[in-house]
Amino acid sequence: DAGVTQSPTHLIKTRGQQVTLRCSPKSGHDTVSWYQQALGQGPQFIFQYYEEEERQRGNFPDRFSGHQFPNYSSELNVNALLLGDSALYLCASSSLQRQSTDTQYFGPGTRLTVL
Amino acid sequence: AQSVTQLDSHVSVSEGTPVLLRCNYSSSYSPSLFWYVQHPNKGLQLLLKYTSAATLVKGINGFEAEFKKSETSFHLTKPSAHMSDAAEYFCVVTLTAFSGGYNKLIFGAGTRLAVHP
Repeated sequence: DAGVTQSPTHLIKTRGQQVTLRCSPKSGHDTVSWYQQALGQGPQFIFQYYEEEERQRGNFPDRFSGHQFPNYSSELNVNALLLGDSALYLCASSSLQRQSTDTQYFGPGTRLTVL
Repeated sequence: AQSVTQLDSHVSVSEGTPVLLRCNYSSSYSPSLFWYVQHPNKGLQLLLKYTSAATLVKGINGFEAEFKKSETSFHLTKPSAHMSDAAEYFCVVTLTAFSGGYNKLIFGAGTRLAVHP
């Protein structure tokens, strides 16, 4: 049973560029959440997707957007990158249909460096 | 609003001695509480979960946590530390019941556990 997978593992971009990160949820899960973890801090919630719609959003600007596909996989897009966007981006999956969205399982993350 | 405070940013123990990582939470309603562990350059692994069943929750790798509503605490313990326990530990709170099933995890700032030989 594959767990949550994310790609790429590492990414280096320059200020002003755009980036797309990808996530495949754990088998049987239908909900995907994204978190940003800056160095030395706890993860911060970005947004959550279910049935291809954004259901909840944290305190992040509109430069952060996402998408969920019919197969439940998801993308996180960040436009106009800033140095402060450098962080580990974590994807987590859970199951709303099984009424267990409060238990989220995390992928290994994508390390984004903005120069 | 929910929040989590981890009372120690760093904890250092000797191998074979007990571990105590402290967490206080704030929530208007009965929350779900979790402990996650993050090893260096790795993602987050679920250690254990509390969801209003037994107040003493047992997790993986010998860890357990006790939910104390009167103290709004959810401290993580382990009787005997192992070198492989060295990692960052996060206390997490969430509230699903009043958000239509959609939720977000609210993380504490983390406690770095060092284990010395």
